[in-house]
Amino acid sequence: GDSVTQMEGPVTLSEEAFLTINCTYTATGYPSLFWYVQYPGEGLQLLLKATKADDKGSNKGFEATYRKETTSFHLEKGSVQVSDSAVYFCALRSITGNQFYFGTGTSLTVIP
Amino acid sequence: DTAVSQTPKYLVTQMGNDKSIKCEQNLGHDTMYWYKQDSKKFLKIMFSYNNKELIINETVPNRFSPKSPDKAHLNLHINSLELGDSAVYFCASSRRGGSLDTQYFGPGTRLTVL
Repeated sequence: GDSVTQMEGPVTLSEEAFLTINCTYTATGYPSLFWYVQYPGEGLQLLLKATKADDKGSNKGFEATYRKETTSFHLEKGSVQVSDSAVYFCALRSITGNQFYFGTGTSLTVIP
Repeated sequence: DTAVSQTPKYLVTQMGNDKSIKCEQNLGHDTMYWYKQDSKKFLKIMFSYNNKELIINETVPNRFSPKSPDKAHLNLHINSLELGDSAVYFCASSRRGGSLDTQYFGPGTRLTVL
């Protein structure tokens, strides 16, 4: 069945450091891929998405490229800020049904 | 206007009690979901309703029962609460059909069972 695997945290970075959170998926066909962010005490919010191979989703300085050949959707940001501290979830929406699959979440802490 | 709302935000109760969490969305979506998030932030889907019909029912205890009076509401009723039910419960909604549409999440309900 479809699934998502993302790197385990927690991740701690200094402000302005480069961020990569790895995400790989297993799915039939070409699912849509998403990154969600959960700030402390809040619900999940969509950060970015990509719906077909080679698409790049971007938002708030974050980027992720849909790589069909490596079945990956890694999240990157060139210079993180303290306000980026949150839990990040990789997810996919199956093409076969109305189902979403989430990774286990990666906690990011950015220190000044 | 809040897109997906849940009440209450916090719920503290004793073991053995019965409680409900309400969810409403004003996005015109036809599919709604309940997720449970444990203390390690792992997100587990519990139920999904599409046009008032259950379409996913993961292996959750039958003490949990979703109720959908209409497609804008999906309430979660929990009988005989146990310590292990303590978690944050999130409601979400989406449009059915096509892989383009994302889910929108509510703010969560933190349930603490004493």
